[in-house]
Amino acid sequence: AQSVTQPDIHITVSEGASLELRCNYSYGATPYLFWYVQSPGQGLQLLLKYFSGDTLVQGIKGFEAEFKRSQSSFNLRKPSVHWSDAAEYFCAVAARETDKLIFGTGTRLQVFP
Amino acid sequence: NAGVMQNPRHLVRRRGQEARLRCSPMKGHSHVYWYRQLPEEGLKFMVYLQKENIIDESGMPKERFSAEFPKEGPSILRIQQVVRGDSAAYFCASHHPTVQETQYFGPGTRLLVL
Repeated sequence: AQSVTQPDIHITVSEGASLELRCNYSYGATPYLFWYVQSPGQGLQLLLKYFSGDTLVQGIKGFEAEFKRSQSSFNLRKPSVHWSDAAEYFCAVAARETDKLIFGTGTRLQVFP
Repeated sequence: NAGVMQNPRHLVRRRGQEARLRCSPMKGHSHVYWYRQLPEEGLKFMVYLQKENIIDESGMPKERFSAEFPKEGPSILRIQQVVRGDSAAYFCASHHPTVQETQYFGPGTRLLVL
């Protein structure tokens, strides 16, 4: 069965520092992988996605993620965090057959000035 | 092009009442998903619908919950005889029939059962 693990429940960084949010998945074939961001009381916004091809994908708001098949990982990175990046971040995997999304439990990012 | 619309945004019900949550997908999207987010948890898949057709309801509780997506009008998630454990945020997502991989989410309906 597909599953997604986000090992870090809560991360705190200083504004301007670099960021890496971890995501590991379990899936039998090459999955569709996603990162979504959720601000308090809001819906989910797609940051980036990986389907195939180049394993380093660029997203919105300066985020990028790298697919590493050998490690079953899809970690999200940003070189310099802004205070407005404080939010909850969800990694998700889609099964090709039905495309329902399987989400991780999320990582809450806090940014200090 | 309006995004995915959900209403109401907030819904308060007493135990035993019915809750109806509505979702209007993006224009041109004929596939709708419903997800539930319990407090302090990630989203869990509930049901996947196309117009007039339930494709996958493997995430739906067996009782009290139902969903439909009629030919005309929004998709409806219906919860009968609500209990406190139904309190959660319910999100709808839609995708285009030929761009299946990308789902666009609505703002959610936050249900509170008293």
